[in-house]
Amino acid sequence: ETGVTQTPRHLVMGMTNKKSLKCEQHLGHNAMYWYKQSAKKPLELMFVYSLEERVENNSVPSRFSPECPNSSHLFLHLHTLQPEDSALYLCASSRQWESKGDTIYFGEGSWLTVV
Amino acid sequence: AQSVTQLDSQVPVFEEAPVELRCNYSSSVSVYLFWYVQYPNQGLQLLLKYLSGSTLVKGINGFEAEFNKSQTSFHLRKPSVHISDTAEYFCAVTLRGGYQKVTFGIGTKLQVIP
Repeated sequence: ETGVTQTPRHLVMGMTNKKSLKCEQHLGHNAMYWYKQSAKKPLELMFVYSLEERVENNSVPSRFSPECPNSSHLFLHLHTLQPEDSALYLCASSRQWESKGDTIYFGEGSWLTVV
Repeated sequence: AQSVTQLDSQVPVFEEAPVELRCNYSSSVSVYLFWYVQYPNQGLQLLLKYLSGSTLVKGINGFEAEFNKSQTSFHLRKPSVHISDTAEYFCAVTLRGGYQKVTFGIGTKLQVIP
């Protein structure tokens, strides 16, 4: 059982829908991440929250809107997506890294299909 | 900025044969190096990481990797693979300090043939 839980595992949505992906970590970490995994591409870092503040936004379109209400929860709100947004969305967490390369722990991902 | 190159997109290997998955990185500053594995329909999990010290790092499931600073490489090896090792393997690099801004390679699919 992973310490990072993502729901739903699979989501099919139309281009005009609004949906959200949820992530919860039970590891006491204080940094959380959203990654996008598409076929034949490296993992793309989308957003980073450190101590509940967004510290990274890698030029992600505004149709993706993250929310981090506390250090254990992370959401990705989706609206008016495009078919090319279909991918596996991975949530991850880690400790606020000060002097060592702490491990990033990943959830199992949410498979998103936009139709 | 750092980058990671995984030279092989797919590596087929017979069961019980040795395997090496190649990874090269580039960075103007010191980095930490990681290998992650992704089994089908699962997220990524850490195999091993190099932070400092001995350049030969041992990880889970019998894997090991060697950091070579002069060649900027961090190749992953296993002396004898099993069917259960069939998965996708990702090399990753991150700068030292701060939160984890990790750069991943494109991944190498290891297919173990019975």
